[in-house]
Amino acid sequence: AQSVAQPEDQVNVAEGNPLTVKCTYSVSGNPYLFWYVQYPNRGLQFLLKYITGDNLVKGSYGFEAEFNKSQTSFHLKKPSALVSDSALYFCAVRDMKGGKLIFGQGTELSVKP
Amino acid sequence: DTGVSQDPRHKITKRGQNVTFRCDPISEHNRLYWYRQTLGQGPEFLTYFQNEAQLEKSRLLSDRFSAERPKGSFSTLEIQRTEQGDSAMYLCASSLGGGQGATTEAFFGQGTRLTVV
Repeated sequence: AQSVAQPEDQVNVAEGNPLTVKCTYSVSGNPYLFWYVQYPNRGLQFLLKYITGDNLVKGSYGFEAEFNKSQTSFHLKKPSALVSDSALYFCAVRDMKGGKLIFGQGTELSVKP
Repeated sequence: DTGVSQDPRHKITKRGQNVTFRCDPISEHNRLYWYRQTLGQGPEFLTYFQNEAQLEKSRLLSDRFSAERPKGSFSTLEIQRTEQGDSAMYLCASSLGGGQGATTEAFFGQGTRLTVV
């Protein structure tokens, strides 16, 4: 069965510092991986995806993610965090049969001034 | 196109009542998904449609839940005889399906927050 794990419930970062939100996956075959962000009482907004090609994927709002096949990881990164980046972040893998997304439990990112 | 829209945004209902939610997907998207999200958890898949056909249902979808997508456009999710455990955010998403769809992202609505009292 396919699954995604986000080992950290919460990540705290000072504004201007780099941030990393971790994600590991377990799939059979090649994974299609996604990151979404959720602000309070809102739906999910797409940030970026890895399908194939370069292991470093660039996305919205200055975020990027690094796909590492040997470590089965897809960590989300940003070189310089903003207070407005504070939100809930979800990693997901796509089920290849029907296309549904299988989500991790989420990581709450808090960026302090 | 304004994206995926869901109605209502909030619903408070008494236990035992029936509720119905609506989702309008992005017009050119042939796949539509329903997810449920409880506090502190990631969204969990409930069911999905390709056009008007309901192709997969999660074991989470008890017989009190039913979803439809008539004519392959908007979708409704009905919960009968609501229970307090049904309190959650119900999210709808749409995407392209088929070969190209496997690589495209899903777009989510803002969700319907259900509170059963």
